[in-house]
Amino acid sequence: GDSVTQMEGPVTLSEEAFLTINCTYTATGYPSLFWYVQYPGEGLQLLLKATKADDKGSNKGFEATYRKETTSFHLEKGSVQVSDSAVYFCALRHKNTDKLIFGTGTRLQVFP
Amino acid sequence: DAGITQSPRHKVTETGTPVTLRCHQTENHRYMYWYRQDPGHGLRLIHYSYGVKDTDKGEVSDGYSVSRSKTEDFLLTLESATSSQTSVYFCAISEPGQGSTEAFFGQGTRLTVV
Repeated sequence: GDSVTQMEGPVTLSEEAFLTINCTYTATGYPSLFWYVQYPGEGLQLLLKATKADDKGSNKGFEATYRKETTSFHLEKGSVQVSDSAVYFCALRHKNTDKLIFGTGTRLQVFP
Repeated sequence: DAGITQSPRHKVTETGTPVTLRCHQTENHRYMYWYRQDPGHGLRLIHYSYGVKDTDKGEVSDGYSVSRSKTEDFLLTLESATSSQTSVYFCAISEPGQGSTEAFFGQGTRLTVV
């Protein structure tokens, strides 16, 4: 079945460091891909998305590119801030069923 | 914020008792989902609904049932709660769109089974 694999955390960085969180997926066909973020004590909110191969999603300085050849959707940010500390979830949504599948999440901790 | 309300927000119950969690939306979205969030497992899909009275199982549906008698409400029932069902439960809603539309999440329900 469909699945999403994320790198394990926590990822610990100093402020202004470069961030990469790896995400790969397994799915039939070509799903849409998403990154969601969860701040402490809250529900998930959409960070960015890409709906087809080679699309780049971006928001708040975060970027991710839909790579069909490597079935990946890695999240990057050039300079992280303390306020970016949260849990980040990679997800796919199957275009035929609209079923939404998440990875295990990666906790990011940014220190001043 | 999308109009999604989960109730209750916190609940402690005893093993073997039935529990029902409610998700209520005011957005008239067709799809509704129930997830559980556990350390090391992320969010796992329990059940989802693609319309009134139309539901399907997710990856961890054993021990759970759902009902959707009207568009705005999606109920999750634990027929006989077990300690392994202690978790944080999230409801989500979305519109169909060949997989491209985003899902909106509720604030979560923390359930403790003792």
